[in-house]
Parts: sequence; structure tokens; C-alpha cells
Amino acid sequence: DGGITQSPKYLFRKEGQNVTLSCEQNLNHDAMYWYRQDPGQGLRLIYYSQIVNDFQKGDIAEGYSVSREKKESFPLTVTSAQKNPTAFYLCASRVPGALEQYFGPGTRLTVT
Amino acid sequence: SQQGEEDPQALSIQEGENATMNCSYKTSINNLQWYRQNSGRGLVHLILIRSNEREKHSGRLRVTLDTSKKSSSLLITASRAADTASYFCATDAGGTYKYIFGTGTRLKVLA
Repeated sequence: DGGITQSPKYLFRKEGQNVTLSCEQNLNHDAMYWYRQDPGQGLRLIYYSQIVNDFQKGDIAEGYSVSREKKESFPLTVTSAQKNPTAFYLCASRVPGALEQYFGPGTRLTVT
Repeated sequence: SQQGEEDPQALSIQEGENATMNCSYKTSINNLQWYRQNSGRGLVHLILIRSNEREKHSGRLRVTLDTSKKSSSLLITASRAADTASYFCATDAGGTYKYIFGTGTRLKVLA
């Protein structure tokens, strides 16, 4: 059963703590993306990776970090430097040479 | 903001009616895509139209693109309650593999 998994579905953290969101895919896709979605808003790009061991900042990378050590995995760390981390986080991947993205189910992060 | 704008922000129609939503964007593009998002879920790709195409069909979906006006429209014909969702357009950032998403249209189809 191929697809993108994100865990956990809901995540709660105290302010000042770093938290890592998981994104795993078994689609053999090279490119992976992290987006943030706020209520009633569109998606904003945080980071993206075209290939293992390489990634680029998106439009709102401040306060976030990523790694891409394996093709299947693209974890996102929300650091304490992110001023307003409460949001819905979506991971996506893309087939090489194709344009459409495949999305995971998302993780809703609440920081209090 | 680089985000595209979609209108209307929200749309409520009766089952069987057609739904039209519009997307405007700011930069030159190579392609434009439409995605659907059910409440609290990930996005699902619906259709892609390239900059050299003016119209494209897929089942009950019809997409148009006017690059001179930097706008696109998505028409869903004979809508069903299951079409209730948010719909987003996404454009490539001038030939890169970065994508810029619009703010979305929330569609509600009443049975």
C-alpha cells in the first residue's frame, strides 16, 4: 500500500520546546516538500528537497529545520525560534519529471 | 505575498448545479494545477493545465487558463454532496519546482 504517512495526526507541545514532525513515503519519489497551512488559508512552503542530502528554504523557513538523509524520509523540526508554530503541517512528494504532488494526511500541531 | 487569490472565498450551491471558482496569480507560469482538500485532510491533485493550453477537461471538471489575464477557472458540473471541499490552485514559480498555492475556495454542495 503505497503513499505518504505523517505522524502523529495531532501533536501538542509547550512553548519553548522543539518538536519533530515525521514524513515518510514509499513511492520512490525524489522530491519532498513541507507546507504550513493556517485556518482558512492556502499552503505556504517551508522547505523542499529535490534529492537526498540536499534541501532548500521555502518562503517561511525561519524557525524550522529539516534533514534528508534517506529518500523515504523528510522530517521537519519546529524549533522554539518559530514565533507562531500552531498550524496544520502538510508533507508532499513528487515523481521525478512530473508536476503533480502527492500529499500526506497532515499533522496538526498545537503549541501552548 | 506571492500567494494567488481565489474567488469566491466560499460558495454554496445545490446538488446538481454547476460550481465555478476562479484563481488569479502574479508571475509568469509554465503550468497551473488544481487541488481539492477535504476538511482536515491532505490535498488531492485534480487537474493540470500547461501555459500553452487554454482549456482542459477531466470527467466533470473543466479548467480554463488565460495567461494574458493571469487567471484560471475551475468548473465542476453536476455537483454532488461529495464535492464539498476546499479547492486550491497552485502555480509553479516560473519554471522551478516550487509551487505557490492560492488561498482557496470553500465549496459546499447541499443535498
